[in-house]
Amino acid sequence: DIQLTQSPSTLSASVGDRVTITCRASQSVNTWLAWYQQKPGKAPKLLIYKASSLESGVPSRFSGSGSGTEFTLTISSLQPDDLATYHCQQYNSYPTFGGGTKVEIK
Amino acid sequence: QLRLQESGPGLVKPSETLSLTCTVSGGSISSTDHFWGWIRQPPGRGLEWIGSIYYSGSTYSNPSLKSRVTLSVDTSRNQFSLKLSSFTAADTAVYYCARRRRYYYGSGSYLGYFDYWGQGALGTVSS
Repeated sequence: DIQLTQSPSTLSASVGDRVTITCRASQSVNTWLAWYQQKPGKAPKLLIYKASSLESGVPSRFSGSGSGTEFTLTISSLQPDDLATYHCQQYNSYPTFGGGTKVEIK
Repeated sequence: QLRLQESGPGLVKPSETLSLTCTVSGGSISSTDHFWGWIRQPPGRGLEWIGSIYYSGSTYSNPSLKSRVTLSVDTSRNQFSLKLSSFTAADTAVYYCARRRRYYYGSGSYLGYFDYWGQGALGTVSS
């Protein structure tokens, strides 16, 4: 199976900061990668698919990039509502998820 | 707006079978552009895909769980179901049902990401 490694596992940033989360795959997944936001006690919500395509209704401060084995999720200006854990998922083969990155607000 | 709702007994005796059903509303489970799936999340841990099913009954399962997983679909009720046998404490998790997009690339179709999720149902071992 394809392993996904996210870094950092936790990050703390201030409102208005630019935040970047990395997801590395153990082998190439082309651009078949999605990002999800999971707020405490809630189900994951799709943010990005195909590495860089923004899901309808998702704020434009979220963006994704990358291909092959290295991907990033960027929040251009962190908002209080962005307090959550973020997960990457590949679908180049049977789905696997990264371990998650918890974003805290300073 | 599409909604998915998990239901079923959350307490399972050790070695018995977890049975969950997902009811889909606001859309048809017979969509040709979607599969339907189950994902679980142990407390404080990451997400694990369990399996996916098409309205025709075609299924795909995680190789690590395949021998214990049974997936089924009832198009007349707009529902799909999961059975996980030989349940142990290691299977304690929140179980989510989700819709999985099917995408087209080149001359083929493939299974993609999960665009709608249920709220989740806790499955845990009863002592």
